[in-house]
Amino acid sequence: KAGVTQTPRYLIKTRGQQVTLSCSPISGHRSVSWYQQTPGQGLQFLFEYFSETQRNKGNFPGRFSGRQFSNSRSEMNVSTLELGDSALYLCASSPGRGTNEKLFFGSGTQLSVL
Amino acid sequence: AQSVTQLGSHVSVSEGALVLLRCNYSSSVPPYLFWYVQYPNQGLQLLLKYTTGATLVKGINGFEAEFKKSETSFHLTKPSAHMSDAAEYFCAVSNAGKSTFGDGTTLTVKP
Repeated sequence: KAGVTQTPRYLIKTRGQQVTLSCSPISGHRSVSWYQQTPGQGLQFLFEYFSETQRNKGNFPGRFSGRQFSNSRSEMNVSTLELGDSALYLCASSPGRGTNEKLFFGSGTQLSVL
Repeated sequence: AQSVTQLGSHVSVSEGALVLLRCNYSSSVPPYLFWYVQYPNQGLQLLLKYTTGATLVKGINGFEAEFKKSETSFHLTKPSAHMSDAAEYFCAVSNAGKSTFGDGTTLTVKP
């Protein structure tokens, strides 16, 4: 079974641009969540999608948005990029929304904002 | 509300020595606790998890963790460190589809 796939692996953007990151969960997984990882802030929860609906949202500005498609694939969009958005963005999937379910992580998209 | 505190952002041990990575949690409901490991340039992978039942949980690669409700702790241990254990380790608490992670502990293993 293929793991969680995130594309692209690396991205370089300039301030003010927007970016879209993609995540394909493990086949059969319906929950996809997104995390931002930075050296200073650690792993910060962005949002979670299940059955095409956003179920949970972290404390990020409205510039950060996402969506999930009927095949469970998810995209995350960041508009009007700021230098502080430079981070590793991790996507994780799980079969359902059970509290005790483990997360399967992708290798992440490394975003650099210049 | 839930939170996780990992004590010590960096831990260094000699090869063959005991590994102890500390994690304390706060949760308003019975916690589901996890340890993940992250190797350089990779995503996180699960080491072990505690849901209910036995408080001593065994995971992959010889790691185990003990859930102590009275101390609100879930420390990760391994009897004998191996060079390949060098990585960053994250403790997490999960509730209602949201996982909250600690800041991580970087484990260095000296030959």
